[in-house]
Amino acid sequence: KAGVTQTPRYLIKTRGQQVTLSCSPISGHRSVSWYQQTPGQGLQFLFEYFSETQRNKGNFPGRFSGRQFSNSRSEMNVSTLELGDSALYLCASKAGGAGYTFGSGTRLTVV
Amino acid sequence: QQPVQSPQAVILREGEDAVINCSSSKALYSVHWYRQKHGEAPVFLMILLKGGEQKGHEKISASFNEKKQQSSLYLTASQLSYSGTYFCGTDAGGTSYGKLTFGQGTILTVHP
Repeated sequence: KAGVTQTPRYLIKTRGQQVTLSCSPISGHRSVSWYQQTPGQGLQFLFEYFSETQRNKGNFPGRFSGRQFSNSRSEMNVSTLELGDSALYLCASKAGGAGYTFGSGTRLTVV
Repeated sequence: QQPVQSPQAVILREGEDAVINCSSSKALYSVHWYRQKHGEAPVFLMILLKGGEQKGHEKISASFNEKKQQSSLYLTASQLSYSGTYFCGTDAGGTSYGKLTFGQGTILTVHP
């Protein structure tokens, strides 16, 4: 069974640009969540989608947005990038009441 | 609010035991435990639902005290492969169901 796939693995962007990250969940998993991981703040919840609907959103500015498609694949977008957005962005999927399976993440560096 | 994990770090010799605690100030629906090795994604260990059940996974088990909103992860007869950072993630349920709030992590190092 294929795991959670995130693309790209690494990204370098310039301040002010925007970026789109992609996540393909495990087949059959309808819940997809996004997390930001930094050394200073740890793992922070961004948003969670279920059947194309955003069920929860974390305390991030409106520059962070996401969506989920009918095949459960998800994307997150960050507009007007800031240096502080440099982080590892993790996508995770689950089915029902099980635990989350995380992808390997996208390492975003903003210069 | 972020759950508090203790200790922040622990160093063990192979074969020794360890306990990692996770405490929340909010009523919880469930507690998740994950292990993350350096440069890798967090890996799910177990989930505990309110009701105080205890679960086991190989030599790793956990408990959840619903009244105290505390969970503990027990690692017995530790192995080198247990090294990594352990995170608890709490889910308050209700309208927040699916939103995990993670603790700051506990770094576990197992030496030969």
